[in-house]
Amino acid sequence: GAGVSQSPSNKVTEKGKDVELRCDPISGHTALYWYRQSLGQGLEFLIYFQGNSAPDKSGLPSDRFSAERTGGSVSTLTIQRTQQEDSAVYLCASSSVTGDYGYTFGSGTRLTVV
Amino acid sequence: GQQLNQSPQSMFIQEGEDVSMNCTSSSIFNTWLWYKQDPGEGPVLLIALYKAGELTSNGRLTAQFGITRKDSFLNISASIPSDVGIYFCAGHLPSNTGKLIFGQGTTLQVKP
Repeated sequence: GAGVSQSPSNKVTEKGKDVELRCDPISGHTALYWYRQSLGQGLEFLIYFQGNSAPDKSGLPSDRFSAERTGGSVSTLTIQRTQQEDSAVYLCASSSVTGDYGYTFGSGTRLTVV
Repeated sequence: GQQLNQSPQSMFIQEGEDVSMNCTSSSIFNTWLWYKQDPGEGPVLLIALYKAGELTSNGRLTAQFGITRKDSFLNISASIPSDVGIYFCAGHLPSNTGKLIFGQGTTLQVKP
């Protein structure tokens, strides 16, 4: 696609429920990143994909968080048994394989756990 | 973990004034990037810097990659109301797999 697409744009869920966040990167971009932005904070790295593999998942906060990428394209970030502290904007970004570190970000998914 | 210290945290200026913000780190970075985030949107890349000492302009924006590779600044000249937003610095460490480290952001407000 023309840009990075994320869905849903907003998600309200009850504490303890599981949620899935989707990211559709720019066509042809092999690198995909997930970041989390809490209210008034900077961007916190979660996980990085190169193709379908995740060489760096060091930022996942706990084992309740997982992510996968299939077909070298769409990625899903799953949060199990959501907690209130998981409330944040989850941003996805993609970049080309040529080492361009200028990511293109999606508009994010605003997750609210009540 | 690695951190970028970005300052100031916020600025409230008059339209037409120049703005300066900077980032410092205790680690050496291979690249420095500056992003702007508007409400409800993801950050958008403004300027990318790839070499120590590099000075790059993009319209009214000028950014520099510090000689020590541990700092960068962004200047905005003759600010206008649409400059309002949150500005983030970001850097790529030599040992990283593509991950960017982000500063905490500078919130800019411009009074017409």
